[in-house]
Amino acid sequence: DTGVSQDPRHKITKRGQNVTFRCDPISEHNRLYWYRQTLGQGPEFLTYFQNEAQLEKSRLLSNRFSAERPKGSFSTLEIQRTEQGDSAMYLCASSQRTGAVRNTIYFGEGSWLTVV
Amino acid sequence: DAKTTQPNSMESNEEEPVHLPCNHSTISGTDYIHWYRQLPSQGPEYVIHGLTSNVNNRMASLAIAEDRKSSTLILHRATLRDAAVYYCILRYAGNMLTFGGGTRLMVKP
Repeated sequence: DTGVSQDPRHKITKRGQNVTFRCDPISEHNRLYWYRQTLGQGPEFLTYFQNEAQLEKSRLLSNRFSAERPKGSFSTLEIQRTEQGDSAMYLCASSQRTGAVRNTIYFGEGSWLTVV
Repeated sequence: DAKTTQPNSMESNEEEPVHLPCNHSTISGTDYIHWYRQLPSQGPEYVIHGLTSNVNNRMASLAIAEDRKSSTLILHRATLRDAAVYYCILRYAGNMLTFGGGTRLMVKP
């Protein structure tokens, strides 16, 4: 399978614990995005990388959230001191940077987080 | 970002065409109209996009009004596997996608 891969698919954690999600984009895609989606809502943009550079961050990305893409390939999203409001699906997506609108964004299946 | 307005939900019968509307009255000249859909428990997937002219692909057709203030996604023969949330999104060039609430399409057998 050469699609966007996310791990783990499901995570249950206690409030106050740290969690980390990993995303492996489609090979040779140099743009990587993170979104968050709560039940009944559309995905909300969190941040995106072009290669290893984090180019944009949403105001939703509080200081408890950190995302990295150290070698321009896979990315991690860490949430520190989780709160119940962090319960959501975290989606990763990737695309090529061609400057053209045809650079379709491909999404992974998401990582579900439940904070209890 | 320019916003889109879609009905919260729609119903269709299997094997019949479905027309999903989208209003985007504040669209700018450089915004492309994209449609994505999200099947249950999956990430969104690309359906189709267009700028001014109507577009067809193997999944759907996109009809764009002449003034570009509205568009319609057309599924020619709905199947049960088309039950999903459909998002109409305005996208400038290669920027990231900004999702709204979408339209939940229910397909009845």
